[in-house]
Amino acid sequence: DAGVIQSPRHEVTEMGQEVTLRCKPISGHDYLFWYRQTMMRGLELLIYFNNNVPIDDSGMPEDRFSAKMPNASFSTLKIQPSEPRDSAVYFCASSWGGKDTGDTQYFGPGTRLTVL
Amino acid sequence: QKEVEQNSGPLSVPEGAIASLNCTYSDRGSQSFFWYRQYSGKSPELIMSIYSNGDKEDGRFTAQLNKASQYVSLLIRDSQPSDSATYLCAVKRGAQKLVFGQGTRLTINP
Repeated sequence: DAGVIQSPRHEVTEMGQEVTLRCKPISGHDYLFWYRQTMMRGLELLIYFNNNVPIDDSGMPEDRFSAKMPNASFSTLKIQPSEPRDSAVYFCASSWGGKDTGDTQYFGPGTRLTVL
Repeated sequence: QKEVEQNSGPLSVPEGAIASLNCTYSDRGSQSFFWYRQYSGKSPELIMSIYSNGDKEDGRFTAQLNKASQYVSLLIRDSQPSDSATYLCAVKRGAQKLVFGQGTRLTINP
């Protein structure tokens, strides 16, 4: 089975540009998570969805960040306008919220974003 | 105080020895705890979960939980060079949210 798929794997952009990161969760999973990882702050949860509905976006740093999940197999994280401090690795993860899942979150390969 | 704290290391252990990784958490009501392994340049992967006080063993890995002391540890027996990675401790908050520690970088020396 395919794991969580993210695109692009690498993104280099200039300050002020719009950046869109994409994620396809594992089929059948009903939870989707967006994380950001930096050396300074570690791995932080930005937002998560359950059945395509945003549940907790308290980790979204500011209004420049937005996330959508139009259907069960696709989600986007958008940064507009981007700033150099947004440079990080962005991970998407998915899980199934059933009783016997063991709470396992499966991470995608990540998108390394560099904002110049 | 951070919600989940780990010693960032690096922790250096000779091959074949036991590696001991520690984590403390601040929310006394936490019920679910996880250890993720992250190789350099890769994504985190779950290696152990633990929910009850005591030890849980899986192959060379043992997770230990002490809720009274708000302490979780991971022991790796017979350490191998392939165990060299960053180990992330995570605590579940609410239904599905995970809060991660900064991670401990482990190096196994041949």
